[in-house]
Amino acid sequence: DVVMTQSPLSLPVTLGQPASISCRSSQSLVHSDGNTYLNWFQQRPGQSPRRLIYKVSNRDSGVPDRFSGSGSGTDFTLKISRVEAEDVGVYYCMQATHWPHTFGQGTNLEIK
Amino acid sequence: EVQLVESGGGLVQPGGSLRLSCSASGFTFSSYPMHWVRQAPGKGLEYVSIISTDGGSTKYADSVKGRFTISRDNSKSAVYLQMSSLRAEDTAVYYCVKGTDDFWGQGALVTVSS
Repeated sequence: DVVMTQSPLSLPVTLGQPASISCRSSQSLVHSDGNTYLNWFQQRPGQSPRRLIYKVSNRDSGVPDRFSGSGSGTDFTLKISRVEAEDVGVYYCMQATHWPHTFGQGTNLEIK
Repeated sequence: EVQLVESGGGLVQPGGSLRLSCSASGFTFSSYPMHWVRQAPGKGLEYVSIISTDGGSTKYADSVKGRFTISRDNSKSAVYLQMSSLRAEDTAVYYCVKGTDDFWGQGALVTVSS
């Protein structure tokens, strides 16, 4: 199985400051169709996961533009330009290139 | 509006069986693969199973292979997860997920305990 490794696992951030989460995969996430199926999810306390970013850098509808995704191959990053109170929760990267699809361990973002 | 509503969760003894259902609406159900993903209490996310649009192809995580069966009924816009030989480590919230991962249900809690 493809192992997804996130860092940091805990991310205390001051309101209005930027935040960055790294996600590394144990093998390339480039699919034979040329796409890279790397998604980012947010899970707020007590809620279901919500997809924020798909195929590395595409923001889902309704996702604020302070969220951005980047990367390629095996190295990916989720950035929040200015953290707001509603961003508190756990963030997961997930690869859907190889079966089984696998998630990172999760990064717990909290307000300092 | 896309909606995925799971049902069928509950408390079951080790070795027992349970069937989860997911009712979908707000999209052309038959055009999308469907997934089940689970989350043990206080833990991360784990993909359990995936089924193709016509139900002809299914895949399972090694942890549930041979014990769980995914199926779907496109005429009812529903997907199911039949779980048998349940173990304590299967205790989790089970999410029904639209095949493009963009919509998740609210989850159904399955507790395996004597």
